[in-house]
Amino acid sequence: QKEVEQNSGPLSVPEGAIASLNCTYSDRGSQSFFWYRQYSGKSPELIMFIYSNGDKEDGRFTAQLNKASQYVSLLIRDSQPSDSATYLCAVYNYGQNFVFGPGTRLSVLP
Amino acid sequence: GAGVSQSPRYKVAKRGQDVALRCDPISGHVSLFWYQQALGQGPEFLTYFQNEAQLDKSGLPSDRFFAERPEGSVSTLKIQRTQQEDSAVYLCASSLGLAANTGELFFGEGSRLTVL
Repeated sequence: QKEVEQNSGPLSVPEGAIASLNCTYSDRGSQSFFWYRQYSGKSPELIMFIYSNGDKEDGRFTAQLNKASQYVSLLIRDSQPSDSATYLCAVYNYGQNFVFGPGTRLSVLP
Repeated sequence: GAGVSQSPRYKVAKRGQDVALRCDPISGHVSLFWYQQALGQGPEFLTYFQNEAQLDKSGLPSDRFFAERPEGSVSTLKIQRTQQEDSAVYLCASSLGLAANTGELFFGEGSRLTVL
């Protein structure tokens, strides 16, 4: 059974701080890793994806991947109240399906 | 269409009733996924199509659930004899192609099913 685990939260951070979201996965064959943001009552939308070990930066977002530790994280710098949402980690193995974690609720306090 | 379209957006069914949920993916997208999302949970995989072929249906919770994509575009998820535990949002997502680097899933707005 392939599993993706996340802390459910809520994770509360003050406005302007760095939010750190973590995810672990069980399938060592996983090749692609995604972070989706889901606002309440809305469908998930892609924030970032990462394939290679190391860091990938896109604006205020940085994804970090460590395949040896089966760990992927998302850092949000200068957090804004509009970042308050549930963040879903998803793992993909080519030719198979996307497995999602339970999501971490982030609350950015003004 | 410009995005993934799902209908109906909301469905209330009496226990035992059959329901059909429709998904119209982005034109040209080869892969189509169905997920079930309960309140406060992450999306749970139901089934996956590549064109018209259903490659994985391991996530369908029972034989009351059936999905099809006969012409490789529109897909229908059918739930027979609905039960209260079927109440959830059913998300459809499509993806462009087959290459290992292709990964972005585009989600529809979901169909919220409430079984009374």
